[in-house]
Amino acid sequence: GENVEQHPSTLSVQEGDSAVIKCTYSDSASNYFPWYKQELGKGPQLIIDIRSNVGEKKDQRIAVTLNKTAKHFSLHITETQPEDSAVYFCAASRSGGGADGLTFGKGTHLIIQP
Amino acid sequence: DARVTQTPRHKVTEMGQEVTMRCQPILGHNTVFWYRQTMMQGLELLAYFRNRAPLDDSGMPKDRFSAEMPDATLATLKIQPSEPRDSAVYFCASGLTGGSTEAFFGQGTRLTVV
Repeated sequence: GENVEQHPSTLSVQEGDSAVIKCTYSDSASNYFPWYKQELGKGPQLIIDIRSNVGEKKDQRIAVTLNKTAKHFSLHITETQPEDSAVYFCAASRSGGGADGLTFGKGTHLIIQP
Repeated sequence: DARVTQTPRHKVTEMGQEVTMRCQPILGHNTVFWYRQTMMQGLELLAYFRNRAPLDDSGMPKDRFSAEMPDATLATLKIQPSEPRDSAVYFCASGLTGGSTEAFFGQGTRLTVV
């Protein structure tokens, strides 16, 4: 089955700086890679996703890059703000999170220091 | 607005008791997932249904866990008998094949077995 590794487990950055979270996956058949944000006491919420036919995708301050050959993908958050503090999860799936199950990484606790 | 609704939000029960968690997926979604979140294992897929039929329950301990979809608006996850190691947050998510690839998560049921 699929195995997703995520690093780092905790990331502390100064407000306004950039944050980068990295993930690797093992199943070459995976072609959908979402990133979820989870705030305390809430369920995970999708913030951005990418399919394997695309190398990069951007949405305002958030971007995701994918290297299918190396089987790794990354989340980039620029100009971090206090509301970015949360736990972020990467995931992988063969078809899509709404159609197939997702295999999640263990999560990154992002702390934005004022 | 459309959301996945889970009840109860919190449940404390004694070891050996039966626990039932309920989920109302987003109207029109044809795929429903059950995930479990613990500090040690992270987010794990337990089971999922498509058009109310079970598709995969390989992540679920079969001896004590059961999942059903009595109708399109209700999914249930039952544990009988419950054990302290079942303490976790259980999330329901729903999605739609052929459309958006996003899985929408509920707020979760925090289960504590004492």
